[in-house]
Amino acid sequence: KAGVTQTPRYLIKTRGQQVTLSCSPISGHRSVSWYQQTPGQGLQFLFEYFSETQRNKGNFPGRFSGRQFSNSRSEMNVSTLELGDSALYLCASSLGSAGELFFGEGSRLTVL
Amino acid sequence: AQSVSQHNHHVILSEAASLELGCNYSYGGTVNLFWYVQYPGQHLQLLLKYFSGDPLVKGIKGFEAEFIKSKFSFNLRKPSVQWSDTAEYFCAAAEGNNRLAFGKGNQVVVIP
Repeated sequence: KAGVTQTPRYLIKTRGQQVTLSCSPISGHRSVSWYQQTPGQGLQFLFEYFSETQRNKGNFPGRFSGRQFSNSRSEMNVSTLELGDSALYLCASSLGSAGELFFGEGSRLTVL
Repeated sequence: AQSVSQHNHHVILSEAASLELGCNYSYGGTVNLFWYVQYPGQHLQLLLKYFSGDPLVKGIKGFEAEFIKSKFSFNLRKPSVQWSDTAEYFCAAAEGNNRLAFGKGNQVVVIP
């Protein structure tokens, strides 16, 4: 069974640009969550989508947004990038709603 | 909001030594608790979980964790570590659905 796939794996952007990250969940998983991982703040919850609806949202500014498609694939977008947005963005999928997550390898974003 | 704290961020020990990593969470009600592990160069994966029932839960690779409700703790243990246990370990608590609050992690290095 294929795992969670995230693309791109690495990307470099400059301040003010926007970025879109993609996540393909494990087949059959309808929940997709996104997390930001940084050395200082650790792992922080961004949002969760279930059946194309945002079910939970973390404490991030409106520049961070996401969506989920009918095939459960998800994208997250960050607009007007800031230096502090440099991080590893992790996507996780789940079959249920109890917190048992399957993570992808992440997309490492560097903002210059 | 739920918060999770982990102690002794960096742990160095020799093979065959015992390992115990502390984890405390803040929410006093029903809570699902997890330990996730990230081996070098790999993605985050679930080590073990506690939902209810027996407070001593066993996970993969000989790990176990004990839930102590009165202490708001969910400590991870392994009686005898191996070099392959070198990894970063994260404790997490579910805040609702698949929204997890993670601790800052424990970097564990096992010396052969």
